[in-house]
Amino acid sequence: RKEVEQDPGPFNVPEGATVAFNCTYSNSASQSFFWYRQDCRKEPKLLMSVYSSGNEDGRFTAQLNRASQYISLLIRDSKLSDSATYLCVVKGISSGSARQLTFGSGTQLTVLP
Amino acid sequence: IAGITQAPTSQILAAGRRMTLRCTQDMRHNAMYWYRQDLGLGLRLIHYSNTAGTTGKGEVPDGYSVSRANTDDFPLTLASAVPSQTSVYFCASSPRIGSPLHFGNGTRLTVT
Repeated sequence: RKEVEQDPGPFNVPEGATVAFNCTYSNSASQSFFWYRQDCRKEPKLLMSVYSSGNEDGRFTAQLNRASQYISLLIRDSKLSDSATYLCVVKGISSGSARQLTFGSGTQLTVLP
Repeated sequence: IAGITQAPTSQILAAGRRMTLRCTQDMRHNAMYWYRQDLGLGLRLIHYSNTAGTTGKGEVPDGYSVSRANTDDFPLTLASAVPSQTSVYFCASSPRIGSPLHFGNGTRLTVT
């Protein structure tokens, strides 16, 4: 089982739709979670951190379910500019090692006009 | 503009040649990283550095070496390139290990 798994998609949704992605992780002791966005042929950029109580940033909502070991990203009122690949990142528990940051393979989203 | 600069942007390299990918950041971040990104495999960590003077191996270190002589620079060297090293390479930095990463624009490397 991969440490971090995402549905690769692609998700094709119409403008204005609500879309949700899930990301599962295997290490129950994982401490921190992030969502990154990557545009085609560009570098990944931090979209938002995921907090235990869930958090919202405009049209984006991130949630954590520790019991089921997954995090989710909800995008409301999708815009054409939301088209990108969304990467899930999980931070483990061991200190001092960058191996603790594990990236999912990404979920591709295309918002259609 | 503060950030991370990678060079070159792209390169075609003959197998067996030596190549150094450059990475410089001006944010005074302690930690720096090198990732490769391949279709279907996501980002995989090659090497990292907690702070100037220290380096560590990531998930896929074989065939690569790094150095961290100062805070700003973190070059990645392929001693003798092979076709399986064809990939997009991203350098990243963060204030400390484990905090969110800032990525460079990437280097697209093709080994023929």
